Amino acid sequence: NAGVTQTPKFQVLKTGQSMTLQCAQDMNHEYMSWYRQDPGMGLRLIHYSVGAGITDQGEVPNGYNVSRSTTEDFPLRLLSAAPSQTSVYFCASKLRGQGTTDTQYFGPGTRLTVL
Amino acid sequence: GENVEQHPSTLSVQEGDSAVIKCTYSDSASNYFPWYKQELGKGPQLIIDIRSNVGEKKDQRIAVTLNKTAKHFSLHITETQPEDSAVYFCAASLPGSARQLTFGSGTQLTVLP
Repeated sequence: NAGVTQTPKFQVLKTGQSMTLQCAQDMNHEYMSWYRQDPGMGLRLIHYSVGAGITDQGEVPNGYNVSRSTTEDFPLRLLSAAPSQTSVYFCASKLRGQGTTDTQYFGPGTRLTVL
Repeated sequence: GENVEQHPSTLSVQEGDSAVIKCTYSDSASNYFPWYKQELGKGPQLIIDIRSNVGEKKDQRIAVTLNKTAKHFSLHITETQPEDSAVYFCAASLPGSARQLTFGSGTQLTVLP
């Protein structure tokens, strides 16, 4: 299994540009999420999905859109990039349920710079 | 919502010494507390977790303790090695199948040879 994969690894955008960060997992996990990581602030939840066709907002959803058309893919869209969205973005996945399925698996991250 | 505070933000120890990182949480209903290790340029990786029905859990050189009354939990690393150098994050989660995690701000651990 490749686990959780993210593309691109690095991206530079100009203010106002749009782009999609890709996330895919091959573990048949129902739950997928997006976090952003900023210095001194840990990881903050942007959006999450508990299954295909179902998405919900996390702590910092403004400026981001998501969709979940398949179990494997969970893209994150920036509609009009702003310098405040400069961050490292992580995608994560887990099996639905509690107990032994609580482990979240993280991708390698996308480092985004908005000029 | 849940709030997690983590201390210290940086920690330097000599190789072979022990390291302790502490976290507090605000919502007494939280019942799952994982710890993640993040190496430079990589995503966080789970190293140990504990549930609210357990007070302590150990895995080789790593242990986690939980005090539900005081709402704090700690990571203990014994006999530290240079490869333990990384950023460590604590997190807390409320019950529910989605298990949304609220993270602490992270601790940069440096193990000096």
